[in-house]
Amino acid sequence: EVQLEESGGGLVQPGGSLRLSCAASGITFSTYWMSWVRQAPGKGLEWVANIKQDESEKYYVDSVKGRFTISRDNAKNSLFLQMNSLRGEDTAVYYCARIGSMPGKHWFLDLWGRGTQVTVSS
Amino acid sequence: EIVLTQSPGTLSLSPGERATLSCRASQSVGDNYLAWYQQKRGQAPRLLIYGASSRATGIPDRFSGSGSATDFTLTISRLEPEDFAVYYCQHYANSPWTFGQGTKVEIK
Repeated sequence: EVQLEESGGGLVQPGGSLRLSCAASGITFSTYWMSWVRQAPGKGLEWVANIKQDESEKYYVDSVKGRFTISRDNAKNSLFLQMNSLRGEDTAVYYCARIGSMPGKHWFLDLWGRGTQVTVSS
Repeated sequence: EIVLTQSPGTLSLSPGERATLSCRASQSVGDNYLAWYQQKRGQAPRLLIYGASSRATGIPDRFSGSGSATDFTLTISRLEPEDFAVYYCQHYANSPWTFGQGTKVEIK
């Protein structure tokens, strides 16, 4: 079955750290760019980060630069998000997503996990 | 950063009616580098449209996208009960990717 499954969320105090994981199955993980997208409670979607197949390119939204690090392990079909110096505004459901592509540089998020909840609170 | 503004915030319609959702970009998104997603309550988003007008695999043809540069539209020709959800536009012209704030399509 083709799926992405996130794990590693939970309750953490402000200033703390958390590492999210995303396990891919049923896809050739190493051939895709991957992404993290988050959604704060009752709010819209916010793109967080993208990573290229060989980790040679990584992109982040400004609000997490210097605090979050996206990485992957192609041998284990896994995507990660290391989150440090967490703040209340980082509270959200974090989704792992596959970046599909079509000719003409069209990229899109075509496969999503169910998400993992991260709550930053004292 | 490209800001996407969706309108209306909420659309109240009945099954069978036509839904027209708007997404306006603060600057051109290039060669139609715009996607649409549907999100139902408690679920992950689902890709509907990419390249402004290309339907994703498995998406019914009642969903269509149009527009260019800064003005885009998602049209649902005849609303089915399962179409009542929140819809987001998203650009991928450059980094950072951004989403619109969403349009909720609710049952009237």
